[in-house]
Amino acid sequence: QVQLVQSGPEVKKPGSSVKVSCQASGGTFNNYGFSWVRQAPGQGLEWMGGIFPIFGSVFYAQNFQGRVTISADESTSTAYMELRSLRSDDAAVYYCARERGDLGAFDIWGQGTLVSVSS
Amino acid sequence: IVLTQSPATLSLSPGERATLSCRASQTVTTYLAWYQQKPGQAPRLLIYDTSKRATGIPARFSGSGSGTDFTLTISSLEPEDFAVYYCHQRSNWPTFGQGTRLDIK
Repeated sequence: QVQLVQSGPEVKKPGSSVKVSCQASGGTFNNYGFSWVRQAPGQGLEWMGGIFPIFGSVFYAQNFQGRVTISADESTSTAYMELRSLRSDDAAVYYCARERGDLGAFDIWGQGTLVSVSS
Repeated sequence: IVLTQSPATLSLSPGERATLSCRASQTVTTYLAWYQQKPGQAPRLLIYDTSKRATGIPARFSGSGSGTDFTLTISSLEPEDFAVYYCHQRSNWPTFGQGTRLDIK
């Protein structure tokens, strides 16, 4: 059974960076895309960007261009998302999600990582 | 592509039929999906490619639509169906609707 296991909650100061990991277990890592989606408290879902390890392709949402880096380590089946220059409105739950090209949808999600930003 | 869901909140009773709408600002040529999210949980894929149920999703959930107008229908609500539902398109850069909250009346 495929699972995505994310790293634990983070507390960060404004202006700092956070790096969240997402390890896939029980399946083939390279055959899929992995996206990062965030959800601010009481709000909806916002796609930040994604990576397709087999193609070496990375895509970012315009809102996060220049501030986010998404990467993957195939040897450990782990995807990463680093967000820099954190602001108070970056406080959110960050999810990784597996994208299946044949479904055009995110079929498996990580449990979410809470990132708090406070001085 | 901007997705607009309606209504924002829908209050119904168990056993009733729920109809949730998702309207796109441009034609969605491929890949319209629906997710269910319960408090404190990650979203769960319900419907992909407009009308196909994901693995393990009960038959009371169905999706339909084309172009710019899409619908998620729950034929007879069960207590566990009360949650927030999001539509999602993958025709170009992924976007989500703002969600419809389905409340118990």
